Amino acid sequence: NAGVTQTPKFRVLKTGQSMTLLCAQDMNHEYMYWYRQDPGMGLRLIHYSVGEGTTAKGEVPDGYNVSRLKKQNFLLGLESAAPSQTSVYFCASRGTGYDQPQHFGDGTRLSIL
Amino acid sequence: GNSVTQMEGPVTLSEEAFLTINCTYTATGYPSLFWYVQYPGEGLQLLLKATKADDKGSNKGFEATYRKETTSFHLEKGSVQVSDSAVYFCALTSGSARQLTFGSGTQLTVLP
Repeated sequence: NAGVTQTPKFRVLKTGQSMTLLCAQDMNHEYMYWYRQDPGMGLRLIHYSVGEGTTAKGEVPDGYNVSRLKKQNFLLGLESAAPSQTSVYFCASRGTGYDQPQHFGDGTRLSIL
Repeated sequence: GNSVTQMEGPVTLSEEAFLTINCTYTATGYPSLFWYVQYPGEGLQLLLKATKADDKGSNKGFEATYRKETTSFHLEKGSVQVSDSAVYFCALTSGSARQLTFGSGTQLTVLP
């Protein structure tokens, strides 16, 4: 029972490099979310998707892009990485019931040098 | 906008002590309230939830009651264990996509 799987788990980038974080869920969930977690700030929403082919901005979207070409996958892209994007990134998904909880992956720890 | 304010940590307790972690919120409409727990190196797991005023969520000995009059959702446990050591997040959902707004988290350490 995989649930929500994030790859990679760790990555170190140089400033200006690009990369894509992958989130995959096997629960047939419609909604998917990307958060970043920084010390003392809890988790903040970057982008989210309410279904295949849809995306929307969250609280801190600048510097990130996302795509949801397949229902089970939600990709987070950094076009030109900056040190301020050093963080732990979490993906989550949820079903369509009004109070369904979000299910989280184990996170990707990203360092930008 | 919506916001969640949590008791600042870290909190250190001895095993079998009583735990309270305070959480208050500001929100429009009628949010649902959640407590999530994060163990070291892992993602967040749902601990408990409450969907309307006066609801009590409970799980694994933890409890929290949705208090609309005080806009609070304090987490309590009567007797903590070493295995409860983790970071605890209070959160609320809002919006058509039910986005989560999180508090800053409270680090709990329980000593044997």
